[in-house]
Amino acid sequence: AAGVIQSPRHLIKEKRETATLKCYPIPRHDTVYWYQQGPGQDPQFLISFYEKMQSDKGSIPDRFSAQQFSDYHSELNMSSLELGDSALYFCASSSTWAADYEQYFGPGTRLTVT
Amino acid sequence: AQSVAQPEDQVNVAEGNPLTVKCTYSVSGNPYLFWYVQYPNRGLQFLLKYITGDNLVKGSYGFEAEFNKSQTSFHLKKPSALVSDSALYFCAVRGYGGSQGNLIFGKGTKLSVKP
Repeated sequence: AAGVIQSPRHLIKEKRETATLKCYPIPRHDTVYWYQQGPGQDPQFLISFYEKMQSDKGSIPDRFSAQQFSDYHSELNMSSLELGDSALYFCASSSTWAADYEQYFGPGTRLTVT
Repeated sequence: AQSVAQPEDQVNVAEGNPLTVKCTYSVSGNPYLFWYVQYPNRGLQFLLKYITGDNLVKGSYGFEAEFNKSQTSFHLKKPSALVSDSALYFCAVRGYGGSQGNLIFGKGTKLSVKP
């Protein structure tokens, strides 16, 4: 079965640079979530989209923005990167019509800021 | 606000013995509870969930969890642990908002199963 795809899997950036993370949800899933997992931490919710509209916002810094496109893929844009942004970034998708409340996670993008 | 707590940072079990990973929750309204497992450098894999119905929920890889409303707990259990079960386990509760709600995770419990 198709899973959530994230690219790139690894990314190294320097301070003050920008980064773009991509997420391709499971086909026919209408909701995408972004989470940030710092070293040794639990995943923290950043933002979510339902049917290409932002639906909920968590602890996402103002330096970050995200959107969901017409083909349902989503991108997380991160600017003015800081050392503290180094983390594993997960994308998850779910289906409202399935009503199973399960979120399916991608493998994550490991961002290292030097 | 919704929250979950995992009181143990690490649980050590001998292979073949039963295992329990503890989780307690605090919610307003009916809780939607989940367990996920994370292997090193991997994503989060869904194990099981409680939405409604039977308090004993069976999931993947022989895991089960018991929802206890009076104790506000949702402990993960397995009758006989395997070395391959060694991983990081997260309990999560569904938050409010959006079409289905984000997940709020506990701090995670590292399970170590020794041969």
